[in-house]
Amino acid sequence: DAGVIQSPRHEVTEMGQEVTLRCKPISGHDYLFWYRQTMMRGLELLIYFNNNVPIDDSGMPEDRFSAKMPNASFSTLKIQPSEPRDSAVYFCASSYDSAHQPQHFGDGTRLSIL
Amino acid sequence: GQQVMQIPQYQHVQEGEDFTTYCNSSTTLSNIQWYKQRPGGHPVFLIQLVKSGEVKKQKRLTFQFGEAKKNSSLHITATQTTDVGTYFCAGNDYKLSFGAGTTVTVRA
Repeated sequence: DAGVIQSPRHEVTEMGQEVTLRCKPISGHDYLFWYRQTMMRGLELLIYFNNNVPIDDSGMPEDRFSAKMPNASFSTLKIQPSEPRDSAVYFCASSYDSAHQPQHFGDGTRLSIL
Repeated sequence: GQQVMQIPQYQHVQEGEDFTTYCNSSTTLSNIQWYKQRPGGHPVFLIQLVKSGEVKKQKRLTFQFGEAKKNSSLHITATQTTDVGTYFCAGNDYKLSFGAGTTVTVRA
């Protein structure tokens, strides 16, 4: 079975540009999570969805960040406008449950904002 | 809100030695999960502990959940170079909260 698929794997762009990260969860998983990982702040949960509905977006840093899940097999995380401090690895993960089942992570998107 | 603290942040181990990493929560957890992230990789699920005082083993790795379900530990015996990476605990009440991780390096 295919795991969680993220694209792109790497993104380098100039500050002020819009960035869109994409994720395809494992088929049948009801929950989808977006994380950001940096050396300074570790692994941070940004937002998670249940059955395509955003449940908790308290980790979203600010209004420049937005996430959508238009259907069960696709989600996007958008940053507009991007800033250098947004540089990080962004992971998408999916699971059958928000708290009691393992989360399966994608390979991540390494984002660099110049 | 729930916070999960993990110590030590870094662990430098001589190959063949044992080490332990610890995880503490500010609240009682319904369960705790452990993940391993290899350098340049993504977190990979290792195990989940649910019961108070539970102990589980995976080869050279021993995972323990505290009696009060507020702390956990991972003990690795006879460390090998393949153990290199960052080990995260993640505590659950209604959602996972990841600790900062213990980054393990191994001296051959």
